[in-house]
Amino acid sequence: DVKVTQSSRYLVKRTGEKVFLECVQDMDHENMFWYRQDPGLGLRLIYFSYDVKMKEKGDIPEGYSVSREKKERFSLILESASTNQTSMYLCASSPPQGGGEQFFGPGTRLTVL
Amino acid sequence: QQQVKQSPQSLIVQKGGISIINCAYENTAFDYFPWYQQFPGKGPALLIAIRPDVSEKKEGRFTISFNKSAKQFSLHIMDSQPGDSATYFCAATYDYKLSFGAGTTVTVRA
Repeated sequence: DVKVTQSSRYLVKRTGEKVFLECVQDMDHENMFWYRQDPGLGLRLIYFSYDVKMKEKGDIPEGYSVSREKKERFSLILESASTNQTSMYLCASSPPQGGGEQFFGPGTRLTVL
Repeated sequence: QQQVKQSPQSLIVQKGGISIINCAYENTAFDYFPWYQQFPGKGPALLIAIRPDVSEKKEGRFTISFNKSAKQFSLHIMDSQPGDSATYFCAATYDYKLSFGAGTTVTVRA
């Protein structure tokens, strides 16, 4: 079974803090994704990566950056957390020819105070 | 702006009933239409998917109906069970990126 793990289930940070969310997948997938999930908005793509050190902006990249130094690990960085970044963050991975199926982690509930 | 519009936002159905969730899209470049199921505290998981050259796909109690000319597709859950209570997301794919609908919370009453 594909396993996607996220470093924290719950996280509470202060406004202005730098926040790191880590994601690791164990299936040697090329593609990795970061989404945020908000009620009534579904999942929105923040960034994705199709190879090590490669990244592309998704639909809502403002206020976020990413890092992919190793194939299995994809990090989401909030340079200066703000209250409007309080959300559920989901990481996913997929093989290059996955045809659209993505495998999701359990999510990190981030609260910014 | 959401590229995939999903309705209803929530629905309640009696055990044994039929749940129907509808989605619409505009981008004709989408080439794969999956449905994801999410239980509380879990990430979404692929439930069933269809390609636009097929009008219907059935897997057990779950059926996708696809209308390419209308740019609409729907999920039917037959003989709904309490274990089907979850949030369902339709999605559409282009160039291996997923665009999700807003989600439908389905509650099945015993």
